[in-house]
Amino acid sequence: AQTVTQSQPEMSVQEAETVTLSCTYDTSESDYYLFWYKQPPSRQMILVIRQEAYKQQNATENRFSVNFQKAAKSFSLKISDSQLGDAAMYFCAYRSGPWGTRFGAGTRLTVKP
Amino acid sequence: DVKVTQSSRYLVKRTGEKVFLECVQDMDHENMFWYRQDPGLGLRLIYFSYDVKMKEKGDIPEGYSVSREKKERFSLILESASTNQTSMYLCASSPAGQIYNEQFFGPGTRLTVL
Repeated sequence: AQTVTQSQPEMSVQEAETVTLSCTYDTSESDYYLFWYKQPPSRQMILVIRQEAYKQQNATENRFSVNFQKAAKSFSLKISDSQLGDAAMYFCAYRSGPWGTRFGAGTRLTVKP
Repeated sequence: DVKVTQSSRYLVKRTGEKVFLECVQDMDHENMFWYRQDPGLGLRLIYFSYDVKMKEKGDIPEGYSVSREKKERFSLILESASTNQTSMYLCASSPAGQIYNEQFFGPGTRLTVL
């Protein structure tokens, strides 16, 4: 079965600095998608960024970018120029079929002013 | 914008009660999901549905059932609530087809079973 591991339960970053959240996953599939979701204190989960496994180019969305290492099964999220509004739980997620997404345990990010 | 709503933000029930959690989405999505969120465990899939009256078990279906009589509505049922079902419950929906489709989440229901 596929598993998603986030080894950092908590991280903190100074405002305007850069932080990287780690994620590894285990799968025998060759075609899949990886996601980072953000859950702010208000609890509505939203998509931050997604990566197609067959694409070597790392996905980027404004201040958010990923480092996707397919062979190592690693999918880290880099947040540049951190803002107070980035404070949230971040979940790494994996999907290989029409069924539900498999999520990691989450990393709580604190942004210090 | 896609909107997924859940009937309650907070719910307190007693052990043995039958509990209904309702979820409604307004974007005509085929797929709907129920997750349970616990600290240190992330989100775990309870059930999902890919069409009206269709359902599939997820990773932790024990103690739960679901109902999907209309495309926009997906209900999670706790037949006899127990204290170990105290948790945050998240509903999600996504369009059918490609697996790259993100899931759109509701705000969650925090259920406490006393």
